[in-house]
Amino acid sequence: AQKVTQAQTEISVVEKEDVTLDCVYETRDTTYYLFWYKQPPSGELVFLIRRNSFDEQNEISGRYSWNFQKSTSSFNFTITASQVVDSAVYFCALRERDNYGQNFVFGPGTRLSVLP
Amino acid sequence: EAGVTQFPSHSVIEKGQTVTLRCDPISGHDNLYWYRRVMGKEIKFLLHFVKESKQDESGMPNNRFLAERTGGTYSTLKVQPAELEDSGVYFCASSQESGNSPLHFGNGTRLTVT
Repeated sequence: AQKVTQAQTEISVVEKEDVTLDCVYETRDTTYYLFWYKQPPSGELVFLIRRNSFDEQNEISGRYSWNFQKSTSSFNFTITASQVVDSAVYFCALRERDNYGQNFVFGPGTRLSVLP
Repeated sequence: EAGVTQFPSHSVIEKGQTVTLRCDPISGHDNLYWYRRVMGKEIKFLLHFVKESKQDESGMPNNRFLAERTGGTYSTLKVQPAELEDSGVYFCASSQESGNSPLHFGNGTRLTVT
């Protein structure tokens, strides 16, 4: 069965600090997709990034970067020079490509508080 | 392009009453999903529609929950009768073809059962 673990329940940092959110996943599928979503205080879930299991290239988008390592089944998310607006709950999610369903499995989320 | 819209944004009902949540997916998205997050816990899958057909409803907690998607456009999720443990945020999401397509979520409906 697929599973996503986000060991950090809550993280607090001071503005301009770098912060890394951990995500570890379990799957028996060889083809799968990983995602990060952000849930700001307003409540909506905002899609941030998608990665497929064949693409281990790290990605950078502005202050955001993602480190995908299949050897450790991890897909960590780093925010550089954090800002107050980054405060949110961040969810890592996994989707397997199999015949049993197309649903996402979400991790429990990490609540990030960026203090001014 | 309009995003996924959900109505209402908040609903407060008493135990035993009925509530119907509505979701309008992004136009052209055949896949529609319902998820919920209860008491700040994990976001749990409820069910998945492909057009008007239920592809997977393995996450529906019990028979007090009924989801429909007549005509393959908008979907409704009815809870009848509501119980206290049904309180939470109900999210709807839609996507194009499955696989690596991301889910686009609505703002959610916060349901409070008192």
